[in-house]
Amino acid sequence: GESVGLHLPTLSVQEGDNSIINCAYSNSASDYFIWYKQESGKGPQFIIDIRSNMDKRQGQRVTVLLNKTVKHLSLQIAATQPGDSAVYFCAETPDKLIFGTGTRLQVFP
Amino acid sequence: EPEVTQTPSHQVTQMGQEVILRCVPISNHLYFYWYRQILGQKVEFLVSFYNNEISEKSEIFDDQFSVERPDGSNFTLKIRSTKLEDSAMYFCASSAKLRVEYGYTFGSGTRLTVV
Repeated sequence: GESVGLHLPTLSVQEGDNSIINCAYSNSASDYFIWYKQESGKGPQFIIDIRSNMDKRQGQRVTVLLNKTVKHLSLQIAATQPGDSAVYFCAETPDKLIFGTGTRLQVFP
Repeated sequence: EPEVTQTPSHQVTQMGQEVILRCVPISNHLYFYWYRQILGQKVEFLVSFYNNEISEKSEIFDDQFSVERPDGSNFTLKIRSTKLEDSAMYFCASSAKLRVEYGYTFGSGTRLTVV
């Protein structure tokens, strides 16, 4: 069946370092992918998205990479800051969202 | 920036009781959704709603669940007889178009605790 999963449940990084969060998806029909950030007690917050006709998309400090051959997504956060500490989910679509399990990013000084 | 508003933020109910979770989607949005997140787990799709009817529902959304858009602004999720395992965060979302990429907004959620 459809599934979206993550390789690492917790990622600890030092402030200023780059973070890489990975995600695998299995539905080859998905053509749009989103990374969400979820802080404690809040709803998912959109970070960045990518369509299946692209393999890379850059935001302000974030980059999403899509490898359709191996059905893999990654989120790269440059110069990670304490405010980046949260749980990060990938999700696939085109209509309803199918979320991955989530990776908790912990940033320490 | 327009928001999806959910009330209450936290609801405690006794097992077997009915609960209604309320959502006010963004005003010009046409598609409405409920998702659930059990503590420490991933966000799971429950149901989508368009044109006053359910367009898709998951296996989780059984006969104990129902959704309604009673007026032009509210979108509600009712659980008829709550079970302990219904304890979770419930998120409402809305979008202007069917495809998520055209804008999809989550509310802050209602934490439901069944005791």
